[in-house]
Amino acid sequence: KAGVTQTPRYLIKTRGQQVTLSCSPISGHRSVSWYQQTPGQGLQFLFEYFSETQRNKGNFPGRFSGRQFSNSRSEMNVSTLELGDSALYLCASSFGQGATYEQYFGPGTRLTVT
Amino acid sequence: AQSVAQPEDQVNVAEGNPLTVKCTYSVSGNPYLFWYVQYPNRGLQFLLKYITGDNLVKGSYGFEAEFNKSQTSFHLKKPSALVSDSALYFCAVRDPGGNFNKFYFGSGTKLNVKP
Repeated sequence: KAGVTQTPRYLIKTRGQQVTLSCSPISGHRSVSWYQQTPGQGLQFLFEYFSETQRNKGNFPGRFSGRQFSNSRSEMNVSTLELGDSALYLCASSFGQGATYEQYFGPGTRLTVT
Repeated sequence: AQSVAQPEDQVNVAEGNPLTVKCTYSVSGNPYLFWYVQYPNRGLQFLLKYITGDNLVKGSYGFEAEFNKSQTSFHLKKPSALVSDSALYFCAVRDPGGNFNKFYFGSGTKLNVKP
């Protein structure tokens, strides 16, 4: 099976712009989660989508949003970019929501805000 | 609140020696614990998990972890380290309150295996 794919892999944006990141989960996986990874804050949970519905949300401002499509693909949007949004954004997919399911991560999108 | 702590930013070990990467957790409820590894410019790769049952969990690439409830620890171990094991290791706990796909990650431990 193909793994989790994320596009684009690298992105450079200017403060104030908005950006959309895409994630395609492993075939058959219905849950998609997003994380932000920075040297200072480590890995922080953004949100999770399951069957096109946001099920969990982390402590991020409303500028961070997402959605999931009927084929389980997910997009994450960040509006009004700030310098502090520079990070590696990781997407993870899981077959379901049970405690026994592990998450499989994509390679990430490296976002640089200048 | 749920959390995990990785007390060592970096662990250095010689190739062929045993390695241990430490993790302690704090959860209300049953702990669902995971170890992931991250290589440079890559996403996280799943190594192993503890859900219930045997306290010694075996995972990928020869790694294992020991769940210790009294010490609230879940240390990652390998009997004989390889240079290729050099990477960033993350311990994580899954939210036990039903939000199963919300993970709390430790700060990560950089493992350096020297030839």
